[in-house]
Amino acid sequence: EAQVTQNPRYLITVTGKKLTVTCSQNMNHEYMSWYRQDPGLGLRQIYYSMNVEVTDKGDVPEGYKVSRKEKRNFPLILESPSPNQTSLYFCASGGRDAVDTQYFGPGTRLTVL
Amino acid sequence: ILNVEQSPQSLHVQEGDSTNFTCSFPSSNFYALHWYRWETAKSPEALFVMTLNGDEKKKGRISATLNTKEGYSYLYIKGSQPEDSATYLCAFETGRRALTFGSGTRLQVQP
Repeated sequence: EAQVTQNPRYLITVTGKKLTVTCSQNMNHEYMSWYRQDPGLGLRQIYYSMNVEVTDKGDVPEGYKVSRKEKRNFPLILESPSPNQTSLYFCASGGRDAVDTQYFGPGTRLTVL
Repeated sequence: ILNVEQSPQSLHVQEGDSTNFTCSFPSSNFYALHWYRWETAKSPEALFVMTLNGDEKKKGRISATLNTKEGYSYLYIKGSQPEDSATYLCAFETGRRALTFGSGTRLQVQP
């Protein structure tokens, strides 16, 4: 089954404790991206990657890192999480062209205390 | 910062009613307009990707139109059913495949 998977789905952590949210897709997509969703603000892009070893900042990259060592994986790293990073995070993947659908993962709800 | 607006914010209709929502987006640097359906606790589900001015797409009882010159898209649901209850998101795509989302229209269909 074609899908985007994220782990963990739910995470409660404390300020400053490094964490990684994994994202994996099995559709051989070149494009992958991370979004966060906050009430009243809609989905906002954090980072994106057009291909392996190619990553770039989205609209709200502060406090986040990503890597794209393999085509299928695009982990989101919070080196020192803070309470303002409490949010719902979505990973997405798609082809390179504007006509291509972007598929979203199930979401990771992160709470930073 | 790109401004993508959706209206109305929420909508309550009765089963069988037809309804429509609006998505407004910048008319310059247009690459694509996406529509998603998002149910609570699930991932957004892609409905349509529209790229050409005048595009019309249809999927069952749901259809969408696109006007890139004036910067708007309409989503229509014919004969709403309770299972159509969800938040409908539109997203404006720029050249780097980034999606800028609107805040969504929350639809509730009463049986």
